[in-house]
Amino acid sequence: GQQVMQIPQYQHVQEGEDFTTYCNSSTTLSNIQWYKQRPGGHPVFLIQLVKSGEVKKQKRLTFQFGEAKKNSSLHITATQTTDVGTYFCAGAWGFNKFYFGSGTKLNVKP
Amino acid sequence: NAGVTQTPKFQVLKTGQSMTLQCAQDMNHEYMSWYRQDPGMGLRLIHYSVGAGITDQGEVPNGYNVSRSTTEDFPLRLLSAAPSQTSVYFCASRWPNYGYTFGSGTRLTVV
Repeated sequence: GQQVMQIPQYQHVQEGEDFTTYCNSSTTLSNIQWYKQRPGGHPVFLIQLVKSGEVKKQKRLTFQFGEAKKNSSLHITATQTTDVGTYFCAGAWGFNKFYFGSGTKLNVKP
Repeated sequence: NAGVTQTPKFQVLKTGQSMTLQCAQDMNHEYMSWYRQDPGMGLRLIHYSVGAGITDQGEVPNGYNVSRSTTEDFPLRLLSAAPSQTSVYFCASRWPNYGYTFGSGTRLTVV
């Protein structure tokens, strides 16, 4: 079946350090979405990337979609304690079904 | 605007029992999906729908049924509960070419 691999599984950073999580697919994706889930909460949509090589920014968050549309990354600059949570990518092949990665759990030490 | 409403929030079932998890959205979204979330495994797609009367299987459909008679409602039926179905279930809806709005989840325990 279709799979999206996400690494790392966990990341512990000191407040102010940067953070990056990566998603990879063995086949070309049609698009990819990113979500954040706070502890005990539900996933919240952050962004969607569709075009090859696309880069989008939301304040301290930078999202990239690879040229081959097989990988994507989320980078957070200067983490804050409010960034704590699990970040998921969700890839689609054909725009209808989204398959989630296993997530990267971010812990930020103040 | 309530968004996506899931009921119940918590449920304990005995092995072999059946039940329906309810999901309703008031945003007129065409697309709706059911995911289950287990520790360390992310969210796995159970069933999804691209409109009223149209449903299809996801990654882990066995043991679950869905129907979509209206745009608003997308119930998930567990036919004969098994301990392996212990999980947190999320219903989500979206417009085409946009991200999902998730409900707050149903925490199901099968004993």
